[in-house]
Order: sequence, then C-alpha cells, then structure tokens
Amino acid sequence: AQTVTQSQPEMSVQEAETVTLSCTYDTSESDYYLFWYKQPPSRQMILVIRQEAYKQQNATENRFSVNFQKAAKSFSLKISDSQLGDAAMYFCAYRSARTQKLVFGQGTRLTINP
Amino acid sequence: GAGVSQSPRYKVAKRGQDVALRCDPISGHVSLFWYQQALGQGPEFLTYFQNEAQLDKSGLPSDRFFAERPEGSVSTLKIQRTQQEDSAVYLCASSSRRPSYYEQYFGPGTRLTVT
Repeated sequence: AQTVTQSQPEMSVQEAETVTLSCTYDTSESDYYLFWYKQPPSRQMILVIRQEAYKQQNATENRFSVNFQKAAKSFSLKISDSQLGDAAMYFCAYRSARTQKLVFGQGTRLTINP
Repeated sequence: GAGVSQSPRYKVAKRGQDVALRCDPISGHVSLFWYQQALGQGPEFLTYFQNEAQLDKSGLPSDRFFAERPEGSVSTLKIQRTQQEDSAVYLCASSSRRPSYYEQYFGPGTRLTVT
C-alpha cells in the first residue's frame, strides 16, 4: 500500500520569507500524481499544486513550487514571499494513475509570523 | 458555479444513534469521494462513486458505514449505531473526468461528535 509521510508537524516562517515543507512517499508504481493541498481553519481543502510523475520538470504556481525527486520519492513544497494568508494546514497527497483515491500525509501546520 | 456543499456542518449524536450526512457535489461532476479526517490527522479515503456506481468502498471501516448515490448526484453517508471512534470530520469531494489528473474539489466537511 502507498504511504505518505510528512515529518514536520509544525513549521513557522516570517512574513515575506521562504519556507519549505517536506514530504516523502512510498510506492512501487511508476505512474502517479502528487499534490499539495492547503486547509485553512475554515476547513475547505484547496489544491495548491500538482505534479505528474512522468514529468521531470518541477511544477510551479506563482509563489509555490515543488522539488520532485522521483528516485528519492521526495516531494517538497517551497513557498516564497510568505504571506499571512498562507497560514494553514498543508497536506501532501498521492494518487496512483490506476485509481482516483487520494492518500494523504499527516499534515504540516504552517504559521506565518508578521 | 457553486462548490461542493455538505450538510449538516455539525452533528452531535449519542452513542448508538444512526446518522446521515449529505453531500451535494459540483454540478456535472461524475466522481464523488468520501474521506474521514480524525482530529489532527490527514483525511483517509472511505469510498468512491462514479455516477451512481460505487466503485471502491475499501476504506469503509465497518459494516456500520454505508454510502449511496442513487441518481448519480447527491450522496449520503450513513453511519449506524455510532460509536465514539466515529467522531471525526467527514469530507466529501467531487471531480470531473477532465483534466486527466482529476482534481478533487472538497466540501467544508461535517464534524461528527459522538457522545
């Protein structure tokens, strides 16, 4: 079974600084997708960024980028120029290309210090 | 258009009671998912529908949990004889067939507390 591990329960960063959230996963499959989801205190989960495993280029969405290391099964999220609105729980998630269900990590609570 | 909606937002049940949680997916989304999120944890998959067909129910923790989507739109998650360990937030998500990565759009969740 696939597993996703987020080893940082909590992280904090100064506003306008850069922070990196870690994620590792375990799978024997070669075709899959990886996602970072943000869950603000209101609890509605929002997709931040995705990465297709077959793509070598790291995904980027404005201030959010990933470092995808397929051989190491690592998928970290970098948030540049942190803003107060970035404060939330961040979940790393895996989806096999064979199924549609998401497998989530335990989450990292990100605090932004003004 | 409207996002995924869930009702009720909060539910308190006494141990042994039956509960029903409703999910209204985004109009036209063929896929619908239910996840259970315990306090301080990541969501865990419960079950998945494509239209009215329940294609995967491998995550349902016991036969007390039952989900249906009879007309391929609204879905109901029913928990019979609730127990304290059922206390969690139940998240519903929906997705369309395109794009290929099947982005899942989540609802706000229903927080179930079993006393």
